[in-house]
Amino acid sequence: QSVLTQPPSVSAAPGQKVTISCSGSSSNIGNNYVSWYQQLPGTAPKLLIYDNNERPSEIPDRFSGSKSGTSATLGITGLQTGDEADYYCGTWETSLSVWVFGGGTKLTVL
Amino acid sequence: QVTLRESGPALVKPTQTLTLTCTFSGFSLSTSGMSMSWIRQPPGKALEWLARIDWDDDKYYSTSLKTRLTISKDTSKNQVVLTMTNMDPVDTATYYCAHSSRVGATAYFGLWGRGTLVTVSS
Repeated sequence: QSVLTQPPSVSAAPGQKVTISCSGSSSNIGNNYVSWYQQLPGTAPKLLIYDNNERPSEIPDRFSGSKSGTSATLGITGLQTGDEADYYCGTWETSLSVWVFGGGTKLTVL
Repeated sequence: QVTLRESGPALVKPTQTLTLTCTFSGFSLSTSGMSMSWIRQPPGKALEWLARIDWDDDKYYSTSLKTRLTISKDTSKNQVVLTMTNMDPVDTATYYCAHSSRVGATAYFGLWGRGTLVTVSS
């Protein structure tokens, strides 16, 4: 059971928009930055979003992040079949001084 | 260019101790603010953070695994080593090392190694 709660799966058609939620508490998301990772099939995770809403330079602006209170959201617009992957949120858990990940969300582009 | 590469045994027996090495280039772990973490992923399951070592040798461990884990660094060799004792089949996973250019609560994993699959079986 992950400390951060993500939906197991989401799906949308090519070209559409999808959002993935990540729910936590005041001791993790509520008081720390959230980052998001994309894991394409058979590959290592890759950083998509850091500091809640910042993108590394190589990440297209179709990917966005936001945070409100104890929840964070990853948004992907203009969906492509190449976006099919598992997506993970993560943050620092202050009460335990550990890093925590969400359980992951599998994105299917129909 | 920052690169990370994990190495270690592909197969260990139950009760044995696992030793994994992450060899990196493109940065120094003695530079202020740098940190390295180990993260694992059982087949078909989610990511699980294991441990982190900071540039100043501060160390942090997963609450559930801390009695079995030791993380260390050798800055002269650009390596970070993770040992996990008393291995069990449930520890079968791909083990990743990951780099952060920050420490503390603001850290995130900007670069990951390709991972190494460790199978625990007799």
